[in-house]
Amino acid sequence: AQTVTQSQPEMSVQEAETVTLSCTYDTSESNYYLFWYKQPPSRQMILVIRQEAYKQQNATENRFSVNFQKAAKSFSLKISDSQLGDTAMYFCAQIQGAQKLVFGQGTRLTINP
Amino acid sequence: NAGVTQTPKFQVLKTGQSMTLQCAQDMNHEYMSWYRQDPGMGLRLIHYSVGAGITDQGEVPNGYNVSRSTTEDFPLRLLSAAPSQTSVYFCASSQTGGRTDTQYFGPGTRLTVL
Repeated sequence: AQTVTQSQPEMSVQEAETVTLSCTYDTSESNYYLFWYKQPPSRQMILVIRQEAYKQQNATENRFSVNFQKAAKSFSLKISDSQLGDTAMYFCAQIQGAQKLVFGQGTRLTINP
Repeated sequence: NAGVTQTPKFQVLKTGQSMTLQCAQDMNHEYMSWYRQDPGMGLRLIHYSVGAGITDQGEVPNGYNVSRSTTEDFPLRLLSAAPSQTSVYFCASSQTGGRTDTQYFGPGTRLTVL
């Protein structure tokens, strides 16, 4: 079975610092999408960023960027200039086959003032 | 634009009771799905639908039924609730469910079964 693994259950940084969340995955497919979702205390699942495996360039969305290492099956999320509003659970996910979104266990990120 | 909506937001049931969690989307998406979120386990797929009249099982389907009579609605039914079904339930939708699609989530329903 294809799996997504987040090895950091919790992380904590000071406001304005940069933080990197790790994710590894396992797949036999050649093209696929990877996602990072944010879940604040409101419970809403919010898409942060996505990366297509065929694209060499790492995706970037404002302060959020990814480091996609296809050969290593690694997909980390970097948050620059972290803000208090970034405090949330962060989930890495991958589309499995054509229909199923597989999630990692999540990383609880706390931004301290 | 409402996106994906879910009702109720919270529900408490007694063991053996039945109920239906409602999900609706206004984006004309073909693909809809239900996930449950348990502590330390991320989200797991319960059932999904690729269009009206078509449903299929996900990773953890036991104890749940679904149907899809319209494109907009995808209700999840618990026929006889059990404490193991205490969880947060999310409905999601995407254009086709394909590997290049982004899934959009509803706000979730927190269910407690006593």
